[in-house]
Amino acid sequence: GAVVSQHPSWVICKSGTSVKIECRSLDFQATTMFWYRQFPKQSLMLMATSNEGSKATYEQGVEKDKFLINHASLTLSTLTVTSAHPEDSSFYICIIPRRVTEAFFGQGTRLTVV
Amino acid sequence: GENVEQHPSTLSVQEGDSAVIKCTYSDSASNYFPWYKQELGKRPQLIIDIRSNVGEKKDQRIAVTLNKTAKHFSLHITETQPEDSAVYFCAASMESGGNQFYFGTGTSLTVIP
Repeated sequence: GAVVSQHPSWVICKSGTSVKIECRSLDFQATTMFWYRQFPKQSLMLMATSNEGSKATYEQGVEKDKFLINHASLTLSTLTVTSAHPEDSSFYICIIPRRVTEAFFGQGTRLTVV
Repeated sequence: GENVEQHPSTLSVQEGDSAVIKCTYSDSASNYFPWYKQELGKRPQLIIDIRSNVGEKKDQRIAVTLNKTAKHFSLHITETQPEDSAVYFCAASMESGGNQFYFGTGTSLTVIP
């Protein structure tokens, strides 16, 4: 069965609104979760590392005030895209590592901002 | 940080031929190298992986080779089939780095029937 559950799988929102994406670990506790963004025909780019009980670590160039990450429990991390704009339209994926050789991908969320 | 480069970006082969995708990495501390296959609109799926203490690994028609000295690793697909058509990503990870995965830029593979 699924190890990681990501919701929603797709969302369309109006420019200026906020969208929350959830990533849940179903089978194990995860102190770390990663959020990636994938633009069409491009690779997966790490946005931030979500750490349970502490602040997320953002990659260079990613606005922390725009992409709010909350990792309040060992099984849930949320990514909130605030004041979304069309350029934020992308495919967002969470990845949860369990060991060095195990990483579980969420289903991905296709965000379209109109 | 780690930098992973992947070539080619697009690859077309005739059904039955072999396909080779190459990746290089920059950080010698990376010790785990997975390959993912991503079909349109879906999450990437792990197809094969290799750790730094192994030079080659094979699983049926898929094989991966690793050259630690040169810091490059390659994916080999033999006897390609149309269902192999997808985007393939290589990645590098290091345990000491918190298990962050650094992805290559992807290779769009088309197998022509």
